[in-house]
Amino acid sequence: AQSVTQLGSHVSVSEGALVLLRCNYSSSVPPYLFWYVQYPNQGLQLLLKYTTGATLVKGINGFEAEFKKSETSFHLTKPSAHMSDAAEYFCAVSPNDYKLSFGAGTTVTVRA
Amino acid sequence: GAGVSQSPSNKVTEKGKDVELRCDPISGHTALYWYRQSLGQGLEFLIYFQGNSAPDKSGLPSDRFSAERTGGSVSTLTIQRTQQEDSAVYLCASSFGGPQETQYFGPGTRLLVL
Repeated sequence: AQSVTQLGSHVSVSEGALVLLRCNYSSSVPPYLFWYVQYPNQGLQLLLKYTTGATLVKGINGFEAEFKKSETSFHLTKPSAHMSDAAEYFCAVSPNDYKLSFGAGTTVTVRA
Repeated sequence: GAGVSQSPSNKVTEKGKDVELRCDPISGHTALYWYRQSLGQGLEFLIYFQGNSAPDKSGLPSDRFSAERTGGSVSTLTIQRTQQEDSAVYLCASSFGGPQETQYFGPGTRLLVL
């Protein structure tokens, strides 16, 4: 069985500051890892994913994440927050099959 | 191109009524998924289709829930005798299949059972 833990249900950052969203997973096999973003009243949009290869993954809107197997982590970062980054972010894993298991989500607010 | 579409976008129903939720996946995507997003439970997997077959229905919460997919395309999620705890956002996603493939999500159907 696999699970995903997102540390912090709510993160508040100043515009221009670093955004760091934490995700840890438990899986019996190396998983495929995803970060999705959800804007209000919209579906989920893929930010980035790790499947194989380079462990530092770059995504859309300036986000990136690093897969650290030894730490079972896949934290999401963005060097400089923008007001448009205010949304809910979900980490998800797909260990060896098709269905995604999601974390509880982290809501990001950006202060002007 | 067109993304995943879902209808209706909002549905209000009375307890005990049946509802049907529709999903139109991205053309060419062989896999289709239904998830449910609710305040108490977060995002939960409901069912997965590969083509018209559903190899995994394990996430369906009760026998009041059923889903079908026809022509390898459109899918319908049906909830019979709705209960208040069925109130949630029902999200559909599609992909080319395979665990590494990106699942593309529709905007969801917001269901409220009174």
